[in-house]
Amino acid sequence: NAGVTQTPKFRILKIGQSMTLQCAQDMNHNYMYWYRQDPGMGLKLIYYSVGAGITDKGEVPNGYNVSRSTTEDFPLRLELAAPSQTSVYFCASRTGNQPQHFGDGTRLSIL
Amino acid sequence: DQQVKQNSPSLSVQEGRISILNCDYTNSMFDYFLWYKKYPAEGPTFLISISSIKDKNEDGRFTVFLNKSAKHLSLHIVPSQPGDSAVYFCAVHQKLVFGKGTKLTVNP
Repeated sequence: NAGVTQTPKFRILKIGQSMTLQCAQDMNHNYMYWYRQDPGMGLKLIYYSVGAGITDKGEVPNGYNVSRSTTEDFPLRLELAAPSQTSVYFCASRTGNQPQHFGDGTRLSIL
Repeated sequence: DQQVKQNSPSLSVQEGRISILNCDYTNSMFDYFLWYKKYPAEGPTFLISISSIKDKNEDGRFTVFLNKSAKHLSLHIVPSQPGDSAVYFCAVHQKLVFGKGTKLTVNP
């Protein structure tokens, strides 16, 4: 049972490039989330999904897009990478009122 | 405007002693709180939670206390162990808001 799997673990992008951060969970959780964590800061919610086909914005959605075509996968898309998007990105999932399960993160640097 | 505040960025304690991590929140309507623990290069993991219908929840060495009138909660770890060294985040369930975290170091 892998839990929440994020790929890649590390990535360096140039300004203006695009990429997709992958997140997959094998626990059949209906809720999925994307957070970013900047140095010395807490986690800030980017987007979340309450089920396949349903997504909504969190606190800091600008510059990102998401989709949820299946229960298992919740990819995060950066269309035009900017230095301000340098961060560690965490994906999480949960079911019902249970706590979130987190992946190990993707460390993204934009130069 | 921070809805959840952890005002101590770091805390250092001796092994075997008590660690007390604090968290303040702004909205009296918040009614479910969680503590997560995070090691370097890993994602946060759930530690313990508390509902506003309680003022204390205990799980082994970990106890969370909730003071609703003060909008304050605290996590007590007794006795502290070197393996407890990590960053601890306080979070509000409804708003999915996390504090900035407190880095706990337990010295042998």
